[in-house]
Amino acid sequence: GDSVTQMEGPVTLSEEAFLTINCTYTATGYPSLFWYVQYPGEGLQLLLKATKADDKGSNKGFEATYRKETTSFHLEKGSVQVSDSAVYFCALSSNAGKSTFGDGTTLTVKP
Amino acid sequence: NAGVMQNPRHLVRRRGQEARLRCSPMKGHSHVYWYRQLPEEGLKFMVYLQKENIIDESGMPKERFSAEFPKEGPSILRIQQVVRGDSAAYFCASSPWTGDIHTEAFFGQGTRLTVV
Repeated sequence: GDSVTQMEGPVTLSEEAFLTINCTYTATGYPSLFWYVQYPGEGLQLLLKATKADDKGSNKGFEATYRKETTSFHLEKGSVQVSDSAVYFCALSSNAGKSTFGDGTTLTVKP
Repeated sequence: NAGVMQNPRHLVRRRGQEARLRCSPMKGHSHVYWYRQLPEEGLKFMVYLQKENIIDESGMPKERFSAEFPKEGPSILRIQQVVRGDSAAYFCASSPWTGDIHTEAFFGQGTRLTVV
């Protein structure tokens, strides 16, 4: 079945540092890939997505590229801010709306 | 256009009671998905419904849990005789029918169930 493996956290960075959160997946067919962000006590917000190989999703300075050859969708940001502190989830969907999630990576950015 | 609405946001139940969680999908969305998030874990798929039909319930526990999405009104996730292990955040998502497997689902804010 489908599965998503995320880099274990927690991750602690200083403001303006470079961020990478690794995500690899196993899926049948050609899934869509997503990154979601969850702030404390809140629901999930879609951060970015990619629907086919070599697509790059981007939003708010975050980027991730759909790599079919390495089955990866790593999240990157060049300069993190304190406000980026949250839990980040990688997910895939092989069937519209039904998604498989990673376990989440907690990011803390210190001033 | 309001987003996916879940209520209540927080629910406290004693062991053995019933919990009813409601989800109103976005306007025009006919598909609803329920997920459970245990503490410190990711979301796990529970059930996928269309109006009056359960399409995929492969993630639902075999006992005490049921879900419905009637022709009128919100989708309901019902947990009978709750136990402490049911304490979790329950998220609902909805999507329109487009015939495209890449259609995005939109998430609600979740209901945090605490069993005492």
